[in-house]
Amino acid sequence: EVQLVESGGGLVKAGGSLRLSCAASGFTFSNAWMSWVRQAPGKGLEWVGRIKSKTDGGTTDFATPVKGRFSISRDDSKTTLYLQMNSLKTEDTAVYYCTSALSWGQGTLVTVSS
Amino acid sequence: QAVVTQEPSLTVSPGGTVTLTCGSSTGAVTSGHYPYWFQQKPGQAPRTLIYDTSKKQSWTPARFSGSLLGGKAALTLSGAQPEDEAEYYCFVSYSGIRVFGGGTKLTVL
Repeated sequence: EVQLVESGGGLVKAGGSLRLSCAASGFTFSNAWMSWVRQAPGKGLEWVGRIKSKTDGGTTDFATPVKGRFSISRDDSKTTLYLQMNSLKTEDTAVYYCTSALSWGQGTLVTVSS
Repeated sequence: QAVVTQEPSLTVSPGGTVTLTCGSSTGAVTSGHYPYWFQQKPGQAPRTLIYDTSKKQSWTPARFSGSLLGGKAALTLSGAQPEDEAEYYCFVSYSGIRVFGGGTKLTVL
């Protein structure tokens, strides 16, 4: 069974940093292109960014609102995906989901206070 | 950045058929945009129904199908059930960047 479990969310002040983790199991993580998607309270889904598999180059792409502030990395030996969020803004407040696009985690809430 | 458009809301009768569409500000949506469709119910994480235009997950009910229609990606629900009431999102790829549509709130009434 595919499982994606996010952790690391919480309350942080504007300008601060936070690192989210996503533990994956039940599929060949090293072959998967993985994404982070967020959902602000009462709003729709917003794609944050994606990392390719290492065999496909391991490169990352990001949505314009987070480019230069967020980074994505992966540790295939631990089957874990990471989202490093710096210079956080109040508008980054959202539930953050880890997804392979075929499977989704349950999300972790990030709240950025002013 | 491209904008992906969906109907904000649709209503279908139980047992009826409805088509949700997903358009792109850059022009026609094609198979090369690898459109996906996701279902999200209140308080739950999204789940993937359709990927790469028309491929289904093992859990996708047979009454859901994906296609390209008139320059848009389309999700057709044939034989709507009360449990299909949810928000539906499409997702399109543009050379590495992915963009979600704003979502369609589907009511089964």
